[in-house]
Amino acid sequence: GESVGLHLPTLSVQEGDNSIINCAYSNSASDYFIWYKQESGKGPQFIIDIRSNMDKRQGQRVTVLLNKTVKHLSLQIAATQPGDSAVYFCAENGSGTYKYIFGTGTRLKVLA
Amino acid sequence: GAGVSQSPSNKVTEKGKDVELRCDPISGHTALYWYRQSLGQGLEFLIYFQGNSAPDKSGLPSDRFSAERTGGSVSTLTIQRTQQEDSAVYFCASSLGVGNSPLHFGNGTRLTVT
Repeated sequence: GESVGLHLPTLSVQEGDNSIINCAYSNSASDYFIWYKQESGKGPQFIIDIRSNMDKRQGQRVTVLLNKTVKHLSLQIAATQPGDSAVYFCAENGSGTYKYIFGTGTRLKVLA
Repeated sequence: GAGVSQSPSNKVTEKGKDVELRCDPISGHTALYWYRQSLGQGLEFLIYFQGNSAPDKSGLPSDRFSAERTGGSVSTLTIQRTQQEDSAVYFCASSLGVGNSPLHFGNGTRLTVT
């Protein structure tokens, strides 16, 4: 079946360093991808999205990279801060469909 | 503007009782989803509403689960004769429902069945 997965279940980084969270997807028909941040006790919060006609998209301190050749998605967080500690999910969606497939998440721990 | 609102935030119920979970989506969002998240797990799709179309109920785990969406806005997820395995956080999400648009989630209802 189709799936979205994450390579690293837990990532620890020093405060101030850059973080890279990776995600692999298997559905070549997916053309829309989203990154979510979920803090303890809260719902997933939209961070950034990217469509398949793009390779890179930047937001505030975050960059999403899409490599369609190897079906890989990554989220880069610049100058990681303690407030970035959370679980990060990627999600994929296929054109013309309404179902989103979510990964199980990567926990990011920021070390002081 | 206001985000997705869910109530109650926490619900403790005895096994066998019925529960109702409520979701107020973002105004103007035509698509509404319910997901379930068990401890340490990912998001499990339950049901999807889009406008006046028939909902996609394919993710509901059993016939004890049902959901309604009245007037294309507020939605209620009902679980009858709750079981301990129903314990989880239930999230509602809404989106514009057109093209590629992100889901916006509420903070969930944490359901504990004792």
